[in-house]
Amino acid sequence: AQSVAQPEDQVNVAEGNPLTVKCTYSVSGNPYLFWYVQYPNRGLQFLLKYITGDNLVKGSYGFEAEFNKSQTSFHLKKPSALVSDSALYFCAVRDDKSQGGSEKLVFGKGTKLTVNP
Amino acid sequence: AAGVIQSPRHLIKEKRETATLKCYPIPRHDTVYWYQQGPGQDPQFLISFYEKMQSDKGSIPDRFSAQQFSDYHSELNMSSLELGDSALYFCASSLDRRGEQYFGPGTRLTVT
Repeated sequence: AQSVAQPEDQVNVAEGNPLTVKCTYSVSGNPYLFWYVQYPNRGLQFLLKYITGDNLVKGSYGFEAEFNKSQTSFHLKKPSALVSDSALYFCAVRDDKSQGGSEKLVFGKGTKLTVNP
Repeated sequence: AAGVIQSPRHLIKEKRETATLKCYPIPRHDTVYWYQQGPGQDPQFLISFYEKMQSDKGSIPDRFSAQQFSDYHSELNMSSLELGDSALYFCASSLDRRGEQYFGPGTRLTVT
């Protein structure tokens, strides 16, 4: 079964500093990996995905994520944090449907990012 | 760009009542997913539909049912509501079953 772990409930960074939100995953086949952001009382916004290809994936709002197969990790990064990046970030994984996996997204517990001015 | 539309945005029901949540996917998206997010929790998958047929099923109670219609919109029907059903219900859609899922704003259901 698929699973995702976000080891940090909270991450605090100063504006202008680089940020990293950690995620590790477990799947039986090829992983489809996603990052979503959720602002208070709002829906989930898609940031980026990894399916295949380059290990460094670039997404929306200057975010990027690095896929590491040997460490089964997919950490979210941004070179310079903004106060407006403060939100709840979810990592999610899905099995490869073509290999019989489920198409449902399995989410981590979320990491609350706070960027201090 | 058009997004996923959910209605209503807020719904208050009493225990044992029935609720119907509606979802209108992004145009040309053929797959719809339903998720439930409890307070302070991560979203949990309920059910999905591809081309109007149930595609995958998660932890959806027997009291809940859903379908996808010919225009690809979907409805989640919830009966015999319980206090524990109070949550944010998200609908998501994707262009195909391998693509990224785009989420709607959610319906906040409160059961009193």
